Amino acid sequence: AQSVTQLDSHVSVSEGTPVLLRCNYSSSYSPSLFWYVQHPNKGLQLLLKYTSAATLVKGINGFEAEFKKSETSFHLTKPSAHMSDAAEYFCVVSAGGSSASKIIFGSGTRLSIRP
Amino acid sequence: GAVVSQHPSWVICKSGTSVKIECRSLDFQATTMFWYRQFPKQSLMLMATSNEGSKATYEQGVEKDKFLINHASLTLSTLTVTSAHPEDSSFYICSARDVGAGPNTGELFFGEGSRLTVL
Repeated sequence: AQSVTQLDSHVSVSEGTPVLLRCNYSSSYSPSLFWYVQHPNKGLQLLLKYTSAATLVKGINGFEAEFKKSETSFHLTKPSAHMSDAAEYFCVVSAGGSSASKIIFGSGTRLSIRP
Repeated sequence: GAVVSQHPSWVICKSGTSVKIECRSLDFQATTMFWYRQFPKQSLMLMATSNEGSKATYEQGVEKDKFLINHASLTLSTLTVTSAHPEDSSFYICSARDVGAGPNTGELFFGEGSRLTVL
C-alpha cells in the first residue's frame, strides 16, 4: 500500500524568504515522487520528479526537492519566494511498476506569499 | 513537454441535461487516461481510469452510469456527466501518462480542467 501526507494545509511566507513544503510518503515499492503546482482554476503543472536517480532533484522556477529514504520524505524547497509562487502544491507518489500503477495525491498545501 | 488538451474549460448546463468533456493528448499516445474531480480547496479525487479500447475502471463510490467514460482512441478520452444535477457541479481534470517514457517513470500530464456548473 502507498500513501502520501502533506503536513501543512497552508504555508505563508514573506516574499524573498525561503519556502519549505513538507511531504512524507509510504510505499511498498520503490516509488516515483512528484510535486505539482496548481494555480486557481487551472490544471496541474509538474514542478519536479524523483525516479530513483539523483536524490536531490531540481525543478522549474527555482524549486528543488530532496528524496530521503530514511525519513520517507520528499520536501519541496525554494531559497527565495516570489509573489507568483502563490498557488496550491500537491505531492504525488506513484509506485507499482506498471503503466497503470496507482497514483496517490497528497491533500495539498496552499502557499501564500506576503509582500 | 507533452500537452493534454481539455475541452470545454467552462460549461453551464441545466439540471437533467448531459455534458461531455473531452481530453486529448496532443503529441503522444496515451493508452491510459485518468479522470479526477476536485472540490473547492481540496485535493484531486480519482474518479476512474480510462483504458483505450476497453471499459473504464471506476473508483469505489463513483457511479459508472452517471459518469460515462469512453476511450475510443490512443489520444482521446471523454467523460459524459449524464442527467446532471447541481451536486455534480465541480472542477473535472483529466490526465494522461506518456507510456513511451517508461512504465513507472512517466509523469502525468494534466489538462487545464473543466469547470461544470449545473443550474
